[in-house]
Formats: sequence, C-alpha cells, structure tokens
Amino acid sequence: RKEVEQDPGPFNVPEGATVAFNCTYSNSASQSFFWYRQDCRKEPKLLMSVYSSGNEDGRFTAQLNRASQYISLLIRDSKLSDSATYLCVVNPSNFGNEKLTFGTGTRLTIIP
Amino acid sequence: EAQVTQNPRYLITVTGKKLTVTCSQNMNHEYMSWYRQDPGLGLRQIYYSMNVEVTDKGDVPEGYKVSRKEKRNFPLILESPSPNQTSLYFCASSPQGPREAFFGQGTRLTVV
Repeated sequence: RKEVEQDPGPFNVPEGATVAFNCTYSNSASQSFFWYRQDCRKEPKLLMSVYSSGNEDGRFTAQLNRASQYISLLIRDSKLSDSATYLCVVNPSNFGNEKLTFGTGTRLTIIP
Repeated sequence: EAQVTQNPRYLITVTGKKLTVTCSQNMNHEYMSWYRQDPGLGLRQIYYSMNVEVTDKGDVPEGYKVSRKEKRNFPLILESPSPNQTSLYFCASSPQGPREAFFGQGTRLTVV
C-alpha cells in the first residue's frame, strides 16, 4: 500500500463548480498534512496546511480525519486559474521531522 | 525576494560524467532537501539536511551524494550518472523540519 494515495483524475470541472479531492495516508502516526499545488512543469507551491480542526482559506477548505486517515480539499466557485495538479503531502515521521511524503497528485482542469 | 535557486535549469549529459546541481536559499532555513519527480511516481525524496553538516538519506539515495557545508547551499552530486537518473529534480527548503517547504524551479536532467 502506498504511503499516500490520491485519485489521479483528471477531474474536468466547469467554472464556478465546487470540487473535492480526497487523499488517504497509511501511517497513523503521521503528524503534519499539507496540500500543494503544481502547475505544469513548474515547482510545487504550498497551498495550505491542514489542521486537525479543519481550516479555510478563501475558496479553499481542508479537512483532516485522523480516524479514517484521510484528508480532503474542497474548492468552491472554481476559477480557470485553479487548473493544476494538487498534491497531498504528509509528514509521516513519529518525531515530526525528517521528510515529506508526496502523493502522485490529482489533476484538475477547470472548463470555461 | 525569498527564493530557492537551482542551477542549471536544464542539463543533458552522458553516462558516467560527474555533475553537480547547485541549490541555494536566501531565507536562512535550516532544513533543505532534494526530490526527484517521475511520471506516475510523484516526488520522491533523495536526501535531506536538518542543518549544516547534518545530512541523511531519503527514499531514493542510491547514485547521489550531497553536502551541507553552509546553511544556504545544498548541492546534489551525481558521481557517475546513468540513464535511470533522467528526471526532474527539485530542491526545497523550510524553516525547521520538512514542513512548509519552498521549492526551487527545478532542474530537468537527461542522461544519455
């Protein structure tokens, strides 16, 4: 089983729609969780950290479910500029250090 | 401007010819790491460094070396490159531990 699993998509969604991605992780001791965004052939960029209580940043909402070991990302009122690959990232270490483990990404295309 | 700078951005080389990819950050970050990104496999960590003179292997360290003699620089060395090291490489840094990481723009390496 992969440490971090994501549906690769692609998700083709009309502009203005709401879209949600899920990601599951295998290590129950994982400490930190993030969503990164990667545009084609560019570097990943941090979109948001995911906190236990859930958090929101504008049109983006992230949720963590430790019991089921998944995190989610919700994008409301999607824009053309939201087209990208979204990477689920987990810090699996018991000590909260050392490394990040990346999912392979979910590709999102917003259609005009 | 806060940034992580990698050089070169593109490199084509021949099997066995030693090469170095440089990485420098101007944010005084303690943690730095190298990743490679391959289709279908996502980003995989090669090496990381918690601080100056402290380096450790990631998930795919074979065929690579690193050094961390100064806080700002973390070069990736391929002593004898092989075609299976053809990939897109990213350097990243973060303030402490592998949390909110800032990525360089990437180095696309082709080994023929």
